[in-house]
Amino acid sequence: AQKITQTQPGMFVQEKEAVTLDCTYDTSDPSYGLFWYKQPSSGEMIFLIYQGSYDQQNATEGRYSLNFQKARKSANLVISASQLGDSAMYFCAMREGVPTDSGGGADGLTFGKGTHLIIQP
Amino acid sequence: GAVVSQHPSRVICKSGTSVKIECRSLDFQATTMFWYRQFPKKSLMLMATSNEGSKATYEQGVEKDKFLINHASLTLSTLTVTSAHPEDSSFYICSAFDSFGREQYFGPGTRLTVT
Repeated sequence: AQKITQTQPGMFVQEKEAVTLDCTYDTSDPSYGLFWYKQPSSGEMIFLIYQGSYDQQNATEGRYSLNFQKARKSANLVISASQLGDSAMYFCAMREGVPTDSGGGADGLTFGKGTHLIIQP
Repeated sequence: GAVVSQHPSRVICKSGTSVKIECRSLDFQATTMFWYRQFPKKSLMLMATSNEGSKATYEQGVEKDKFLINHASLTLSTLTVTSAHPEDSSFYICSAFDSFGREQYFGPGTRLTVT
C-alpha cells in the first residue's frame, strides 16, 4: 500500500484563486511528520510547511496552510491567493519516527507522486 | 533557514567511470543526511540514510556497492556512483534535518548523465 497518496496528477487554477492540493497518508507509527515541498522546473526542492502528528493546531506559513485531519489521515495543502509563480510540482511527504535534536533517529521522507499545479492568468 | 549545498550541480561522465557527489550542510551540523533519486517526471525515492561516523543504511533494492556513501563529518556526506552506467542517469538530491530536527532541507540536486 502506498504510504502517501496524491490523487491529483495535475491542476489548472486561475490566478488569485485559492488552491487545495490533496494528500492522504498511511502509517501505524503514532509519531510522524508531514511535509509539503514545491519543486519548480529548476529541480530544487523548496520546503513549504510542516505538521507534526502531535501538533494541535493546523500549520500555517504565509499563504500556505495545512488542513490536517488526523482521523482521516489527510494533510491537504491550501494555497491562498495563488500567483503565477506558484506553478510547479508539489510533493507531500511523510517521515515516520521522531528525530533527536540533532536530526538523527528518524527515517528519511516518503514522497507522494506529486501534483503539477499550473496557475493561469 | 538552513542551507544545504551540493556539488557538482551537473555532471556528464562516460560509462564505467565513477562519480562523486558532495552534500554539505552550510550553517548547521547534520548527524544524519539522506540521499534521494528522482527520475524525470517522477517522485523522489529515498536511496539511503547517511549517518555520521557509521555505515549508511540503504533502502531495499539499492545496491550499496554501487552507491557508496561516506559521512565523514557533521557537515559533509558524499555519494559515489561507482562504474556508472546509462541507467544510473538521474537527478540525485541530498537532504538533512536542521538543528532542531524538525524540518528537512534539500540540496539543489545533481543531474548525472552517463553516456
